[in-house]
Amino acid sequence: QAGLTQPPSVSKDLRQTATLTCTGNSNNVGNQGAAWLQQHQGHPPKLLSYRNNNRPSGISERFSASRSGNTASLTITGLQPEDEADYYCSAWDSSLSAWVFGGGTKLTVL
Amino acid sequence: EVQLVESGGGLVQPGGSLRLSCAASGFTFSSYSMNWVRQAPGKGLEWVSHISSSSSTIYYADSVKGRFTVSRDNARNSLYLQMNSLRAEDTALYYCARDNWDFDYWGQGTLVTVSS
Repeated sequence: QAGLTQPPSVSKDLRQTATLTCTGNSNNVGNQGAAWLQQHQGHPPKLLSYRNNNRPSGISERFSASRSGNTASLTITGLQPEDEADYYCSAWDSSLSAWVFGGGTKLTVL
Repeated sequence: EVQLVESGGGLVQPGGSLRLSCAASGFTFSSYSMNWVRQAPGKGLEWVSHISSSSSTIYYADSVKGRFTVSRDNARNSLYLQMNSLRAEDTALYYCARDNWDFDYWGQGTLVTVSS
């Protein structure tokens, strides 16, 4: 099952803004959008944004998601040291009847 | 508080079997679909299987179809994954995740190692 495409790594300075991307196709991201998850080393993933771009309760407003066509984006403003983590996107693929994940983006905060 | 606790992982030889369990608490388990997601050491997330709240709809990743079977017992608030014909490439940390339109809660995972 083909996955979603994410850049392997992104580096940004402290307090700057990072935008992570996730590219799929019309059967997944282009259909119902993509969710975003954050995973710190040694911990399970944590949902940051639903596919409708809404944040779960307790997630900082510094995290915002959007979508344009088959590409979803996660923008993190005012980068903090604790934002250094792996970020994954996920989407339901209606043609595969399967969930698909991106390969993950490692965010480094300099 | 939502809690998901996986168990049943361990070391198994290629071709062997294991049964994973996920004990749920803090929410009405019978109202939610559930998923298994795995993560090989140092790698990304890979979806494994989905089961609807009533077990009426089940999906599998192509990589495990025909070898793995997902099930649930709503009376026991538990999710299961029967894994047969295990291969080295099945080595991973296996998470159960609640399906609330997206994967909104995850357990800590249970490690499955397939090696001779």
